Amino acid sequence: GAGVSQSPSNKVTEKGKDVELRCDPISGHTALYWYRQSLGQGLEFLIYFQGNSAPDKSGLPSDRFSAERTGGSVSTLTIQRTQQEDSAVYLCASSLGRANYEQYFGPGTRLTVT
Amino acid sequence: AQTVTQSQPEMSVQEAETVTLSCTYDTSESDYYLFWYKQPPSRQMILVIRQEAYKQQNATENRFSVNFQKAAKSFSLKISDSQLGDAAMYFCASKGPSGTYKYIFGTGTRLKVLA
Repeated sequence: GAGVSQSPSNKVTEKGKDVELRCDPISGHTALYWYRQSLGQGLEFLIYFQGNSAPDKSGLPSDRFSAERTGGSVSTLTIQRTQQEDSAVYLCASSLGRANYEQYFGPGTRLTVT
Repeated sequence: AQTVTQSQPEMSVQEAETVTLSCTYDTSESDYYLFWYKQPPSRQMILVIRQEAYKQQNATENRFSVNFQKAAKSFSLKISDSQLGDAAMYFCASKGPSGTYKYIFGTGTRLKVLA
C-alpha cells in the first residue's frame, strides 16, 4: 500500500513569509509525528498527534510553529514569519499508535529560507 | 531525560567487509525500546532493526545485528558483508515504555561503502 507522503518535496521561501507543509499518513495509522532535521543534527521532535487526543506540542520551538490534523488523517505544519534558522528538512512519520511503536517515515520536505 | 549519543560522525567500510556503528544511551526507565534507522540520500528513513530492552538476546535481521549491552547502555549496529546500497546515514533512537511515544534520536553516523 501507499506509504507516508509529504508535499512539497522542496520549498524555497523568503524570510518573513508563511509556509505550509503537508503530510499524508498511512491509512489507518492513528499516530502522527513531525520532526525537524537540521544539517548535521539528529531528528528533533516537534509535535505528536494520537487519535482524538490533544496533541503533544512540547517540541514546537516557538509560537510561529503550529500544526493541525484534520479528520484524524492529513496533517499540516505551518511556520509563520519564517526565519533563516527554520531552514531544515521536516519529516513526518505515522504509526498504528498505542502499543505499536514502529514509525513509518515520509520522504520529508526540505525548507530553505532565503 | 533520555539521551542518545552517536560518537562517530562518519565511518567507511570496504565492500563485503564488516563494520560496527556505535550508540550509547541514557535512560532511567527499566522498560524501553531501541532502534536503528537508515536514511539514504532519498531522505526516506527506514527501520533497520529494533531491540526490546527486556530481551537479552541480540536482535538480528539478515546482515544486520546489534550488540546490546544493557548494563553499559550500549547499542551498536554490526553490518556484515557490506554492500554499496548500505551507504547512508544511520540513526540510533530510543523510546520509553509501552504507552509512551516520544523517540529520542542520535545525531547520526554517515556510512560510506568503498568499492
